[in-house]
Amino acid sequence: ILNVEQSPQSLHVQEGDSTNFTCSFPSSNFYALHWYRWETAKSPEALFVMTLNGDEKKKGRISATLNTKEGYSYLYIKGSQPEDSATYLCALPPFYNQGGKLIFGQGTELSVKP
Amino acid sequence: DGGITQSPKYLFRKEGQNVTLSCEQNLNHDAMYWYRQDPGQGLRLIYYSQIVNDFQKGDIAEGYSVSREKKESFPLTVTSAQKNPTAFYLCASSIGAPTGELFFGEGSRLTVL
Repeated sequence: ILNVEQSPQSLHVQEGDSTNFTCSFPSSNFYALHWYRWETAKSPEALFVMTLNGDEKKKGRISATLNTKEGYSYLYIKGSQPEDSATYLCALPPFYNQGGKLIFGQGTELSVKP
Repeated sequence: DGGITQSPKYLFRKEGQNVTLSCEQNLNHDAMYWYRQDPGQGLRLIYYSQIVNDFQKGDIAEGYSVSREKKESFPLTVTSAQKNPTAFYLCASSIGAPTGELFFGEGSRLTVL
């Protein structure tokens, strides 16, 4: 079973702080890595889908990097705002390709105080 | 609007009863999925379907059943055999490739009384 680990489990920051979290995964048989944001009372939404070692993706103040050789991805938020408060989920397809199913990490819950 | 619709949003069940959660999508996606979320845990896959009339068990399929008679619909039945059914259930769909992002519904919260 593919093991996807996220750290930290939760994070509390002040508005304006920059923050980052980690997603770790086995480095063998990598297909892709997904990041999702899940705000309270809403549906999870995709932030990034990354496939290549060294990939960097950016959406506004949020960016992500990928290192498939060592098995980790970082998600960065620059100048956190209260609206960034959410659970951030990392997910990967398992070693064998099975119709796009994803295995999720436990998530990092971010709380940004004004 | 294109998207995933789950119903009901909240559901209460007595022990020993089967309940069915509805999931409909109008995104023309081939693949659909059911995930379960419990406090302190990540999303765990219950069942998924890559194509109409076909579905596969996920990591925690015991006590659940599904059907995929139409491309748009993937209902989940929580049977009385499910030992701990109280949870939040999310339905999703995608194009069915490893790089295809998942589109999620708003979820259904099931509580067993």
